[in-house]
Amino acid sequence: TQLLEQSPQFLSIQEGENLTVYCNSSSVFSSLQWYRQEPGEGPVLLVTVVTGGEVKKLKRLTFQFGDARKDSSLHITAAQPGDTGLYLCAGAGNQGGKLIFGQGTELSVKP
Amino acid sequence: GAVVSQHPSWVICKSGTSVKIECRSLDFQATTMFWYRQFPKQSLMLMATSNEGSKATYEQGVEKDKFLINHASLTLSTLTVTSAHPEDSSFYICSALNWNSYEQYFGPGTRLTVT
Repeated sequence: TQLLEQSPQFLSIQEGENLTVYCNSSSVFSSLQWYRQEPGEGPVLLVTVVTGGEVKKLKRLTFQFGDARKDSSLHITAAQPGDTGLYLCAGAGNQGGKLIFGQGTELSVKP
Repeated sequence: GAVVSQHPSWVICKSGTSVKIECRSLDFQATTMFWYRQFPKQSLMLMATSNEGSKATYEQGVEKDKFLINHASLTLSTLTVTSAHPEDSSFYICSALNWNSYEQYFGPGTRLTVT
């Protein structure tokens, strides 16, 4: 069974601070996706990483995929209140298109 | 990203009644769609995989007779919660799978409240 451990599960920081969210697994994933979800809405895809060692940047967000494609991280620089939300990592493995979701990280950025 | 719609966005029903939720893929033909359930401040829990033209595949612990899934076309999957009870109250989200990229695009969710 493939599992994805996401940490931290809760994070409360001040505006302007930096933060990193981690997703780790003992399994290899063909790709890994990061989503952001706001209350009462569905998750919105932020990025997909496919190649081991890949780094993708989306404004103040930096996503990395581990060399072995078992782990990933999301780094936010100078967080803003608008970054508040639930961040989810999800790995695509060997289960016919299914995604394995991490537990989620509830981020709160206070002004 | 691709657009997936869900209808209704929220519904309140009485215990014992059935509720149907629709999920539509608006940008591409989705042979595979997924249904999830989510509790407050928690991650998504996969309920079932919906495949166009065939029976849905349910995850362990999900009652197939209670959560009926129909995927009659390449753009529409429906989830019917039968004989709903208060414990079925939850946020239900669907997604459409793009087999080219293995990316899933999610609908906006449906808030079900059973009284």
